[in-house]
Amino acid sequence: DQQVKQNSPSLSVQEGRISILNCDYTNSMFDYFLWYKKYPAEGPTFLISISSIKDKNEDGRFTVFLNKSAKHLSLHIVPSQPGDSAVYFCAASRITGNQFYFGTGTSLTVIP
Amino acid sequence: DADVTQTPRNRITKTGKRIMLECSQTKGHDRMYWYRQDPGLGLQLIYYSFDVKDINKGEISDGYSVSRQAQAKFSLSLESAIPNQTALYFCATSDLTRKGNTQYFGPGTRLTVL
Repeated sequence: DQQVKQNSPSLSVQEGRISILNCDYTNSMFDYFLWYKKYPAEGPTFLISISSIKDKNEDGRFTVFLNKSAKHLSLHIVPSQPGDSAVYFCAASRITGNQFYFGTGTSLTVIP
Repeated sequence: DADVTQTPRNRITKTGKRIMLECSQTKGHDRMYWYRQDPGLGLQLIYYSFDVKDINKGEISDGYSVSRQAQAKFSLSLESAIPNQTALYFCATSDLTRKGNTQYFGPGTRLTVL
């Protein structure tokens, strides 16, 4: 059973606009969440994380929002750039846990 | 130089053959992981290890085995490869810190079983 879900397989956004990628989880024990970015022929690279004691974390153009009651997190990219075109995975775990659970990924295309 | 390396990067083999995928890291992390990725699916955990003497099964360990020869090396073996093991395989490392547990991935090995 998929504990972390990304329901949008793909997303297209114009350069300069906001990209919003969504992720839902089912396990209320998860307290640490991450976003990874993956280019073709490369491994995923860590982008940004958030623990459940926060509802927002920012790093430059990237902001992750966490809504614990809805078991939902989102990644906002503002402004979107063509170099942001990649597959984005969300992942969840216990902060002291052994395993990460990954979503199926959302392929973002930023159109110049 | 890459912190997490995987060899080979690509491999084509036949059903029934034994295959070993190797992973090395220079990050000094204790934790190492093997994942597979199939089209339309997320990363699924095969095995993980927290030190040389520690091996743990993940979600999809059947048909796979691992060896943690040293802190820096973690190998994945397919004893008798089958076509549905055709996938992209990733090794990852992590180091639990006060800020959490972030994984760092290798570039992946694309395995095709004919």
